Amino acid sequence: RKEVEQDPGPFNVPEGATVAFNCTYSNSASQSFFWYRQDCRKEPKLLMSVYSSGNEDGRFTAQLNRASQYISLLIRDSKLSDSATYLCVVRQAGRRALTFGSGTRLQVQP
Amino acid sequence: GAGVSQSPSNKVTEKGKDVELRCDPISGHTALYWYRQSLGQGLEFLIYFQGNSAPDKSGLPSDRFSAERTGGSVSTLTIQRTQQEDSAVYLCASSFSLTREQETQYFGPGTRLLVL
Repeated sequence: RKEVEQDPGPFNVPEGATVAFNCTYSNSASQSFFWYRQDCRKEPKLLMSVYSSGNEDGRFTAQLNRASQYISLLIRDSKLSDSATYLCVVRQAGRRALTFGSGTRLQVQP
Repeated sequence: GAGVSQSPSNKVTEKGKDVELRCDPISGHTALYWYRQSLGQGLEFLIYFQGNSAPDKSGLPSDRFSAERTGGSVSTLTIQRTQQEDSAVYLCASSFSLTREQETQYFGPGTRLLVL
């Protein structure tokens, strides 16, 4: 079983739609959580960190459920420019290295 | 300012040859990481350098892989006797933070390695 699991998609949604991605992690020692965005043939870039209380950044909302070992990302009012692969990322306590999910591909259509 | 840079951007080599990949981290960043991303796969951690501390090599897949970081800045990842399964994008990241929790890793554009 992978440490971080994501639905690979693709999620094909129209502009303006709301879309949600889920991610589960298997290691209960995971301490820090992130969503990264990766465009085709580009490097990953940090989208947002995920905090226990949930957090929002503009159209993006991230939630963490430690009991269920589950992370989510909600994108409201999707834009064409949101088309990318979204990577769920965790860091275990005591480690610096990040553990990445395989990503969920989003395609926003006009 | 300048981000993480990597060279070469693409490398094609023959099975059995050695390759060296270079990473220039963001100036002032004390931590440097190497990851690799195989086709359709998530990023896989390889090795981590922090200042003058001993590197965390726990992600290196075999003894054909090694890395060094000279002067606390530039790093080279060396793959000896390359195999076809080594074909992947090799990504370098650097970071600077006072605490682990606050750390953000910034990635370079990667080196695409193809072993024929």
